[in-house]
Amino acid sequence: DAGVIQSPRHEVTEMGQEVTLRCKPISGHNSLFWYRQTMMRGLELLIYFNNNVPIDDSGMPEDRFSAKMPNASFSTLKIQPSEPRDSAVYFCASSPQGGGNTIYFGEGSWLTVV
Amino acid sequence: SQKIEQNSEALNIQEGKTATLTCNYTNYSPAYLQWYRQDPGRGPVFLLLIRENEKEKRKERLKVTFDTTLKQSLFHITASQPADSATYLCALPVSSNTGKLIFGQGTTLQVKP
Repeated sequence: DAGVIQSPRHEVTEMGQEVTLRCKPISGHNSLFWYRQTMMRGLELLIYFNNNVPIDDSGMPEDRFSAKMPNASFSTLKIQPSEPRDSAVYFCASSPQGGGNTIYFGEGSWLTVV
Repeated sequence: SQKIEQNSEALNIQEGKTATLTCNYTNYSPAYLQWYRQDPGRGPVFLLLIRENEKEKRKERLKVTFDTTLKQSLFHITASQPADSATYLCALPVSSNTGKLIFGQGTTLQVKP
């Protein structure tokens, strides 16, 4: 299996610009997660989907962040407008089912907002 | 809310020794606990899952214990090797009926030859 695929791997953008991060989960997995990792705050869960439906978005920091999962094989995390404090590594992960199972992470999207 | 504490200081040990990493949590006892390994520039990779009714679990040179009374899990790597150098994260479900996992900050292990 190809694993969780994220794009872009690296992005540098100017403050105020829109950023869109993309994720293709492992085929057959019905849970998808977006995490953000920084040195200060560690790995934080932003949102997770089950069967393409957002279940918990309580970790989304503010309205500038939005996530969609139009189908079982694709999800996006959008930041609009971006700010320097959004600089972080954003991980997408998927899991075969809702609880008690391994979460498989992608390699991350490294975002720098200048 | 549930909180996870891992030793933020790096652990430096000599090759061949046993590394022991600690994960403490507050509040409710989770149904299970997981350990992940993260290498620089990579995503976390699952290592082991231990359930609340299991005291200990082993996988090759790895051993995990789970003490629900102390609210603590210990992660051991025996006969450590330089290739074991990485950051190790523990993770817990927020509640029993969700796949929502929260992660500790991780402990960086450095194994010196």
